[in-house]
Amino acid sequence: QITLEESGPTLVKPTQTLTLTCTFSGFSLSTSQMGVGWIRQPPGKALEWLALIYWDDDKRYSPSLRNRLTVSKDTSKNQVVLTMTNMDPADTATYYCAHTAGLSMTWDANWFAPWGQGTLVTVSS
Amino acid sequence: DIQMTQSPSTLSASVGDRVIITCRASQSISNWLAWYQQKPGKAPKLLIYKASSLQSGVPSRFSGSGSETEFTLTISSLQPDDFATYYCQQYNTYSTFGGGTKVEIK
Repeated sequence: QITLEESGPTLVKPTQTLTLTCTFSGFSLSTSQMGVGWIRQPPGKALEWLALIYWDDDKRYSPSLRNRLTVSKDTSKNQVVLTMTNMDPADTATYYCAHTAGLSMTWDANWFAPWGQGTLVTVSS
Repeated sequence: DIQMTQSPSTLSASVGDRVIITCRASQSISNWLAWYQQKPGKAPKLLIYKASSLQSGVPSRFSGSGSETEFTLTISSLQPDDFATYYCQQYNTYSTFGGGTKVEIK
């Protein structure tokens, strides 16, 4: 059974850097064609894809947020870390990490299943 | 960026109804489309991938169709557990989600 859980601060100040950790079980991110993605959802709004990290450490980022995002993995700890710089109140959202499989190195993205339960991050001074 | 437009944004239906949700892409995405169900306070759940492939464990009353720029999610007979918000996601070029369709009780 695959499970994922997000952790990190619930409140950050404007201009600060957000660091979120996704801890997962039930698969290894060193296994070919596996990946972990990040998706966020502002309160009452739609989903927005942020980033994807591949089993071979390749990465993809949302073009609109690329200059603010960094994703990395620690395979030995079964963790993926997302950092987002220069946080703004508009970045207030529930942040999800999610598993994907069947990835090809030539793809930019994929479907996601399952998802973590999400963590709400509020940006406010 | 590829834009995904869902319609309707809200749908009122009764148990037993056939429900159809539409998702349109701003450019061709072949069949690289997924559908998700989300209930209040919960994470999205994958229903359909590659436009028409049913995710394991998802009831067969859910089906997906379409290609290129026009896609549909059909619930053949709406059940009480199906009242939720549904999202489409393209993953042809990076990834973008539609704005969502809320299925309400009529």
